[in-house]
Amino acid sequence: AQKVTQAQTEISVVEKEDVTLDCVYETRDTTYYLFWYKQPPSGELVFLIRRNSFDEQNEISGRYSWNFQKSTSSFNFTITASQVVDSAVYFCALSDNAGGTSYGKLTFGQGTILTVHP
Amino acid sequence: GAGVSQSPSNKVTEKGKDVELRCDPISGHTALYWYRQSLGQGLEFLIYFQGNSAPDKSGLPSDRFSAERTGGSVSTLTIQRTQQEDSAVYLCASRQQGVGLGEQYFGPGTRLTVT
Repeated sequence: AQKVTQAQTEISVVEKEDVTLDCVYETRDTTYYLFWYKQPPSGELVFLIRRNSFDEQNEISGRYSWNFQKSTSSFNFTITASQVVDSAVYFCALSDNAGGTSYGKLTFGQGTILTVHP
Repeated sequence: GAGVSQSPSNKVTEKGKDVELRCDPISGHTALYWYRQSLGQGLEFLIYFQGNSAPDKSGLPSDRFSAERTGGSVSTLTIQRTQQEDSAVYLCASRQQGVGLGEQYFGPGTRLTVT
């Protein structure tokens, strides 16, 4: 069975601080996909990033960066110079192999509530 | 282009009544998912549709829940004899099937309140 753990329930920072959201996953699949989604107060889940299990190259996109480490089964997400608009619930999610007839259904972590104060 | 749409946005119903929730996926997306988001359970997978294949119903919590997808597009999630524990936000997502796994795009959800 797949499992995603986001140990941080809530994080509160002041604007311009850097913040890292932790995600640890469990899966028996050798091929899998990891995602981060953002859920602002409006409620709609917004896709942020996707990584497959073969690609451990970390990436920076603007103020966002991701650190994927298979050795520790972690997929952490960092926001640099946080802004008030970053306030939202952030979900880490895991999906099984996309090949063949697999479904790609997502297993979500419990979410981390990020509050950025001005 | 248009995103995933869901209706109604809010639904209040009395315990024991049946409800129907609708999802209109992104045009051309052949994969469609229903999830439920509740305070106690977080985000849970309910059911998956892919083209004309048999749906994966493994996430449906009871036989009071059913879903269908007509013409490979619009999907309806039906909850019969609603219970208070069915109160949640029901989210629909669609994905374009292809090489690798594309991300799922979510609709705004239907907030269901059972009184």
